[in-house]
Amino acid sequence: NAGVTQTPKFQVLKTGQSMTLQCAQDMNHNSMYWYRQDPGMGLRLIYYSASEGTTDKGEVPNGYNVSRLNKREFSLRLESAAPSQTSVYFCASIQGAWGTEAFFGQGTRLTVV
Amino acid sequence: GENVEQHPSTLSVQEGDSAVIKCTYSDSASNYFPWYKQELGKGPQLIIDIRSNVGEKKDQRIAVTLNKTAKHFSLHITETQPEDSAVYFCAASIGGNNNDMRFGAGTRLTVKP
Repeated sequence: NAGVTQTPKFQVLKTGQSMTLQCAQDMNHNSMYWYRQDPGMGLRLIYYSASEGTTDKGEVPNGYNVSRLNKREFSLRLESAAPSQTSVYFCASIQGAWGTEAFFGQGTRLTVV
Repeated sequence: GENVEQHPSTLSVQEGDSAVIKCTYSDSASNYFPWYKQELGKGPQLIIDIRSNVGEKKDQRIAVTLNKTAKHFSLHITETQPEDSAVYFCAASIGGNNNDMRFGAGTRLTVKP
């Protein structure tokens, strides 16, 4: 049972480049989330998807887009990367809404130079 | 929206001692308070959670207490072991709300053998 799988684990981008972070869960969860983690700031919500076909903005959505491809997969896209987007990105999934356990992936460490 | 503050940011204890991490929240409607442990290079993992209808919850060496009046909750780890060394995050949310989970900034706990 893999849980939540994120790819890639590490990535270096040049300013202005684009990339997509992939996330897949095998627990048949309805809700999926993308967070970024910065030193001293905890986890901040970028986008979430309450169910297949729906997405909504979180606390820090600017510069990102998402796609809920199907129930298993939720991708995060940076169209034009900026140094301020250097961070560790985590995908998480929950069966329903908050109030039950969230399962996190291992993270993607992204550096934008 | 909810604001969660967590203290201390770093904590160092001797093996066998107790460790206490404290969090405060701002939204009195919050009713779900999980604690996550993040080991180096991994995603956060739920270790214990508490709901607003309970004042204390224990699981072996870990306990969480909640004071709804003061809007603060704490994580207590007794008989600490080197494998308890990690970053711990508290969080608060209104259960059932898909995007209203806010995390504290994290506490880096080091247990010295």
